Amino acid sequence: KNEVEQSPQNLTAQEGEFITINCSYSVGISALHWLQQHPGGGIVSLFMLSSGKKKHGRLIATINIQEKHSSLHITASHPRDSAVYICAVKETSGSRLTFGEGTQLTVNP
Amino acid sequence: GAVVSQHPSRVICKSGTSVKIECRSLDFQATTMFWYRQFPKQSLMLMATSNEGSKATYEQGVEKDKFLINHASLTLSTLTVTSAHPEDSSFYICSAHKPGLDIDTQYFGPGTRLTVL
Repeated sequence: KNEVEQSPQNLTAQEGEFITINCSYSVGISALHWLQQHPGGGIVSLFMLSSGKKKHGRLIATINIQEKHSSLHITASHPRDSAVYICAVKETSGSRLTFGEGTQLTVNP
Repeated sequence: GAVVSQHPSRVICKSGTSVKIECRSLDFQATTMFWYRQFPKQSLMLMATSNEGSKATYEQGVEKDKFLINHASLTLSTLTVTSAHPEDSSFYICSAHKPGLDIDTQYFGPGTRLTVL
């Protein structure tokens, strides 16, 4: 069992749909990152959370520390949101990140 | 936000040659940088942790003599793939650790795609 698990692995949506990607982890963490990787490969950090909820534009990220679970929501999805979304946790000790396997999102027009 | 650059973005080389990849933190000092490798349709795999002024810490299974890491300054870490072979072809990504008052953050470089012929 991976320390960080994401679901679903693949997600196809129609433009405009509300999207949720989930991340569960089994270790103690000090922070959780949501990352976006486009087909070209570059990685963009979307959010870093230690508690509660953050919002940036159409993106919302939540985390429940007690349940060891985080969600990334995309409202009014658009084809340009198509990318791989990766959850990564920073364990309580040290500064390295542990990554989930990513969720491939495809938004069709 | 903080910016991390990598150079080159793409490199094609012949088998047996060495390739150097640079990772720079442009607007902050990074005492720790991380090097990752990513194969197609797989997640990032940590190769090594690069600490300024000291030897890098390599993950299990990563050959330190093949992947030479130098972190000579607080804004620059280099990864040299020595005697590259086709199986070293991959996407190499660095990240820089920015210590903060609240939560430490990591900023990722845009990656370097290495193709070994």
